[in-house]
Amino acid sequence: QVQLQESGPGLVKPSETLSLTCTVSGGSVSSGDYHWSWIRQPPGKGLEWFGFVYYSGSANYNPSLKSRVTISLDTSKNQFSLKLSSVTAADTAVYYCATRVLSGWFGSWGQGTLVTVSS
Amino acid sequence: DIVMTQSPDSLAVSLGERATINCKSSQSLLYSSNNKNYVAWYQQKPGQPPNLLIYWASTRASGVPDRFSGSGSETDFTLTISSLQAEDVAVYYCQQYYNTPPTFGQGTKLEIK
Repeated sequence: QVQLQESGPGLVKPSETLSLTCTVSGGSVSSGDYHWSWIRQPPGKGLEWFGFVYYSGSANYNPSLKSRVTISLDTSKNQFSLKLSSVTAADTAVYYCATRVLSGWFGSWGQGTLVTVSS
Repeated sequence: DIVMTQSPDSLAVSLGERATINCKSSQSLLYSSNNKNYVAWYQQKPGQPPNLLIYWASTRASGVPDRFSGSGSETDFTLTISSLQAEDVAVYYCQQYYNTPPTFGQGTKLEIK
């Protein structure tokens, strides 16, 4: 089974860019088996899908966040990454990377990383 | 976006009793060409990521105990735990994957009575 691990800063200042990386083991980001996805969960709240990147490098984003989000692959490191620009306190959340099967459900999740937006 | 609305928001059930969680979608999630409902269910325990329980509305994921079952079609779906165990205390989420963006219900918190 694919295993995922998020990494990145736990604190980001308002208006800056949040950058996270997901390292994949037990699978390859170069395979066409999954959509490599990011999902977030504000403290005590529900789940919001950011988007995914496919092995080809093509990406699909949540329209509500599209103007601020970039998801990309690094096949040499077997990683994929998330960049969210112009962050505010409302972007404080636990960020998860996950595999999305092509049909649409999320089968494997990282443990999540808490990112706090604060000056 | 498709809105997924769960009920109740929280639920307390005695050990060994049945727990039922409902999920209603703002549009049909039944794809006529394959007669499949594009709904999944997840369990999230405190401090952990969500864990896939059910997909295609009623197919249990690998390793999921058979006390968990999913049912429903079109806009109304149900997750049932037939005999509640202590380890089932968690928040449960439904998710639709009929349309992009995939969307989740707000969650149902399940506790022991």
